Amino acid sequence: GQQLNQSPQSMFIQEGEDVSMNCTSSSIFNTWLWYKQDPGEGPVLLIALYKAGELTSNGRLTAQFGITRKDSFLNISASIPSDVGIYFCAGQLAFGNEKLTFGTGTRLTIIP
Amino acid sequence: NAGVMQNPRHLVRRRGQEARLRCSPVKGHSHVYWYRQLPEEGLKFMVYLQKENIIDESGMPKERFSAEFPKEGPSILRIQQVVRGDSAAYFCASSERGNTEAFFGQGTRLTVV
Repeated sequence: GQQLNQSPQSMFIQEGEDVSMNCTSSSIFNTWLWYKQDPGEGPVLLIALYKAGELTSNGRLTAQFGITRKDSFLNISASIPSDVGIYFCAGQLAFGNEKLTFGTGTRLTIIP
Repeated sequence: NAGVMQNPRHLVRRRGQEARLRCSPVKGHSHVYWYRQLPEEGLKFMVYLQKENIIDESGMPKERFSAEFPKEGPSILRIQQVVRGDSAAYFCASSERGNTEAFFGQGTRLTVV
C-alpha cells in the first residue's frame, strides 16, 4: 500500500523557535493535508494543498506541496506552548479515490 | 472538529462481544470515512461510504467488520466477536463531497478485555 514517511518522529524545542517537518512518498499524491492531533482528540485540519508547488499559510503555519507531488513540508514559526501535539501529513492519491493515507506523525514538545 | 459527533467516546467490551460505533457527520455532509489508529501510529483508512453505499472498503478486514450509512441516522461501524487486537481508537470523518476537506470526530476508544 501507499506509505508516507514523515520526519522527524519527534522534536524538542524551546518556545519561540521555528519548527520544520516534512513528508515524503513513493507515490504521487493529488492533495496534501496537514493535521494536528491533541491527546484524546481527533485530528484537526491545519492546511490543505491542492496544486504542485503551492505554498499556503495559516497564521504562523506555512506548508508547501512539492513540485514532484511526492513530498510536502510544514513550518511553524515562533512556536508557542499550544503548538504541542502530534502533527500528521496526509495524502489523497487521486481524484475519485477519496481515502487519505496518513504519515506516522511528528510529536512536538516544547521545553520550558 | 466542525461538528462530527462520535459516540460513545470510550467503549469497553469483553472478547467475543459486539462493538457498535456511531458517527453523525456534519449536517449536510453525505460522505463518511472510518479510520483506525493504534497507539503511537498514524490513522489507517478502513472504509468510505456515501449515503447508503459503500464506495471503498479496501482497508476493512473481511471478517467481523461491517459498516453502514443509512439514508436516515448515523453511520455505524460494527465489530463482531471482538478480539484484543481490535483495541484502538476509531475515528470517523465526513466531507460535503469527495475531494473536499474532511473533518474528523473525537473518536471512539475501544478497549477489549
